[in-house]
Amino acid sequence: GAVVSQHPSRVICKSGTSVKIECRSLDFQATTMFWYRQFPKQSLMLMATSNEGSKATYEQGVEKDKFLINHASLTLSTLTVTSAHPEDSSFYICSASTQGALYNEQFFGPGTRLTVL
Amino acid sequence: AQSVTQLDSHVSVSEGTPVLLRCNYSSSYSPSLFWYVQHPNKGLQLLLKYTSAATLVKGINGFEAEFKKSETSFHLTKPSAHMSDAAEYFCVVSDLGAGNMLTFGGGTRLMVKP
Repeated sequence: GAVVSQHPSRVICKSGTSVKIECRSLDFQATTMFWYRQFPKQSLMLMATSNEGSKATYEQGVEKDKFLINHASLTLSTLTVTSAHPEDSSFYICSASTQGALYNEQFFGPGTRLTVL
Repeated sequence: AQSVTQLDSHVSVSEGTPVLLRCNYSSSYSPSLFWYVQHPNKGLQLLLKYTSAATLVKGINGFEAEFKKSETSFHLTKPSAHMSDAAEYFCVVSDLGAGNMLTFGGGTRLMVKP
C-alpha cells in the first residue's frame, strides 16, 4: 500500500515551453501533497505544499507563477513549470500524506527528471 | 523549529564491513525520525522510522537506527555492507509543531568498495 506514482519519469523540453508533471496516490487518498526539487548531489528542497481543493502554499523563494500547482482531487496533484528555462532543469519529486497520517509520514513518488534545452 | 545534520557527506566502506551513517537532529517537540535511501535517478525509499515507540528501530535490508534523546542522535547502522547498499541516504525529522512538514538532512553518499 501507499504507492505514489509520477508521470512522466523523464522529460526534455525546449526553453520557453511549459511542462506538466503528474503525481498520483494509487491506493490511498492524499489530503496533502508536497513538491520537492533536488539538484544534483544535493538534498531535497521543499517547493510547496498543497491540500486538496485549496491553493498551494509555496516556500520562500519559490515563484508561484512559474511553478503552478493544482491539487484538484484526493489522488492527483500536478506541477506545471511554465516558460521553462535551463536553470529549471532538475529532479522533481512529489510526496503524499493522508489526513491523520501517523507520525507525519509522507510517501514519495519516483521522481521526474526535467531537462530544459 | 526542527533541523537535521548529517555529519558526513561521504562514507566509504569495504563490502562486508559495518556501516555507520551519523545524524543529529533538533526538534522543539517529540520528533518523528526517518531514514530514506535514494539510488541514482530514483525516488526515495523508506528504510525505517522512529515514532516514539522502541528506541532501537529495525528497518529493511538489515539496517537499524537508535534514537538517543540525550545525544539528539539517530545514527543508521548495518553490520555488513553489500555492494547494493551504495546510494544516497537522508535523515529526516518531523515534529508536531511542523504539521506534516519534513526537514531533510544534507544527505550522505555511501560508497561500498569490493
